[in-house]
Amino acid sequence: KQEVTQIPAALSVPEGENLVLNCSFTDSAIYNLQWFRQDPGKGLTSLLLIQSSQREQTSGRLNASLDKSSGRSTLYIAASQPGDSATYLCAVRLITQGGSEKLVFGKGTKLTVNP
Amino acid sequence: NAGVTQTPKFQVLKTGQSMTLQCAQDMNHNSMYWYRQDPGMGLRLIYYSASEGTTDKGEVPNGYNVSRLNKREFSLRLESAAPSQTSVYFCAINRRSFNSPLHFGNGTRLTVT
Repeated sequence: KQEVTQIPAALSVPEGENLVLNCSFTDSAIYNLQWFRQDPGKGLTSLLLIQSSQREQTSGRLNASLDKSSGRSTLYIAASQPGDSATYLCAVRLITQGGSEKLVFGKGTKLTVNP
Repeated sequence: NAGVTQTPKFQVLKTGQSMTLQCAQDMNHNSMYWYRQDPGMGLRLIYYSASEGTTDKGEVPNGYNVSRLNKREFSLRLESAAPSQTSVYFCAINRRSFNSPLHFGNGTRLTVT
C-alpha cells in the first residue's frame, strides 16, 4: 500500500530564508507527483506537478524535485516571505491495474514565515 | 479557487438528518472528486466520477451517495448523518488525463452533533 509521509509536520523560519520541504513515498511506481498549498479555511491550490520521467519543475521561487528510485520529492522555496505561510501537501498519482487513477496525499507541512 | 464552487460553505446537522453538498465547475473538466479532510488523517477520497454518467467508490464511501447530474455538477449526499461524518469536504476536478493537475473548491465545513 502506498504511503506518503511529510516531515516535519510544522516548520517556522525567519523571512528571507531558503527552505526545503520533504515528501517521501513507499512505492516508486508512481505516475506523477503534485505539490499543493492550502491556506487556512481554503481548498488546495496546485503549485507544481512533476511527471515520473522528470527530475524537477520550477515556478517562480518554487522548485520541486523528484527522485523516484529513492521515493523522495522536495519543494524548495527561495527567499521565503510571510505570504508563503500555509500548509504544503504533496500527493502521488498511481494508476491502478484496472486503469483508473488514484491520488495518495501526505498530511502536509505547516510552514510559518516570520517577518 | 476559481472554477470550482461548493455550497454550502458551512452546515450543522443533527444525527440522522440528511443533506446534499453541491459542487459545480465551469472549467469543462471531465473528472470530479469528493474528498474529506480530517485532522491527522489527511485527505481521503470518498467518491469520484471519471465522466458524466459514471461514478466510482473511493477509499471511504460508506454513508455517502453521489450523483453526477451533468458534466458541470457532482453532488454528495448524506442520507443519515453521523458524528463521524463531521469533517471538511472538498470537491476537486481535473481533465480526463493522468497528467492533469487537480483543482479544488474551497470546501464545506460540516458538523454533525
